[in-house]
Formats: sequence, structure tokens, C-alpha cells
Amino acid sequence: ILNVEQSPQSLHVQEGDSTNFTCSFPSSNFYALHWYRWETAKSPEALFVMTLNGDEKKKGRISATLNTKEGYSYLYIKGSQPEDSATYLCAQYSGGGADGLTFGKGTHLIIQP
Amino acid sequence: NAGVTQTPKFQVLKTGQSMTLQCAQDMNHEYMSWYRQDPGMGLRLIHYSVGAGITDQGEVPNGYNVSRSTTEDFPLRLLSAAPSQTSVYFCASLTRGAGELFFGEGSRLTVL
Repeated sequence: ILNVEQSPQSLHVQEGDSTNFTCSFPSSNFYALHWYRWETAKSPEALFVMTLNGDEKKKGRISATLNTKEGYSYLYIKGSQPEDSATYLCAQYSGGGADGLTFGKGTHLIIQP
Repeated sequence: NAGVTQTPKFQVLKTGQSMTLQCAQDMNHEYMSWYRQDPGMGLRLIHYSVGAGITDQGEVPNGYNVSRSTTEDFPLRLLSAAPSQTSVYFCASLTRGAGELFFGEGSRLTVL
């Protein structure tokens, strides 16, 4: 994998259901993996920054896991709510400032009431 | 802490006009960057800086200039605006360790 790839591109989920999506990244030159939530008409905000293989982080109903050896991270949302509707971006950081960040194209999540 | 402050939020320019987007951060981050966001293109890096006095080009630098005279400020200049520069611009600062980005609120620029 040469780029950061996210799947699916978009996702419609019923309110109350749980969901997850994937970020795949090159396992070479790895320093950190970021997840951002980007709501419409706002700026992206960091959800998680993970650096160690096997890292698991949680914030409320949202959690993320990291596997640096195989080059993937999962983001999970439990009991989706309308306010979870957003684009979720992942980015791999290989150090050295902004030039070391490679973004995926995002997963656009829509929660249907 | 105000975080990253970006102005103006909205601007309409005519082709050929110049302007500066201002960006300031109060978190003492050495790394700062400018991105543009266009439909279907995601975030693209315009210019970045790893410290005062040091700037470098990102993926789409043409038509833009930057300078970094202080740690706090990182203005983006459009020298002669073109319709292709119609976009939403985000300034961000990064932590030195894991590179976490802190974004400004964005500036929506329309060039007629």
C-alpha cells in the first residue's frame, strides 16, 4: 500500500446501530496514525493520535485500534447518534512536520434518525 | 488559549487582486501549515513551516507565498488571485511529537 486508503467512502447508518470503518496505510516510515472528525462547515478536529502497535483508544462511544505491522486502523462507533454524522479522516504521520502527513480521502458517515 | 486563529472567514476577490490570509497560534507549536480543501480532492498541502524563518512548499504551492517571521504567525499571500484559487483554506499547527493537527476555522475564498 503506497497511499492511505479509507473504506468505505460513505456510509448510511440507522440511529442506534453500531458501525466501523477502516484506514489502511503503508507500514514503512510509520510514526503515528491520526483520526479526525470533520463536520460540515467546520474544521477537522483530532479524535485520536496513536503511535504504538496494538494501541486502543476510546472517547465516549468512539474507539480506535491500531495494527502497525499489517498497516491498518479501525474506527468504531457504538450506538450511533445524529451528531456522529461527519467525515472521518485518517492520516499517517512519518515525522518532520506537515509534509510528513498523508491523508486518506475520508469516510462520510450519515446517521439516519 | 485561543488555539489557531484564522482570518478572514469569508472573502470575495476579483481576478488579479492580492490578499493575505492571516493565521496565528498561541500553543508555541513550531510546525505550521496551510491546506486547501476542494470538493472531491480532500485536504491538499500548500506550504508548511518547521520553525520561524523556515518555510517549504507542499503539494500545491503555485500562486501562493508564505513567510514565518515569528513562531506565532504564518500568513498566506495570494499575489494575483485566479478563479482556480476559489477554495476553503485551513491553517493548522502541529505538535512536534506525534504531529497532531490543530486547525483554524477555515477561510472561504471566492475569486470572480
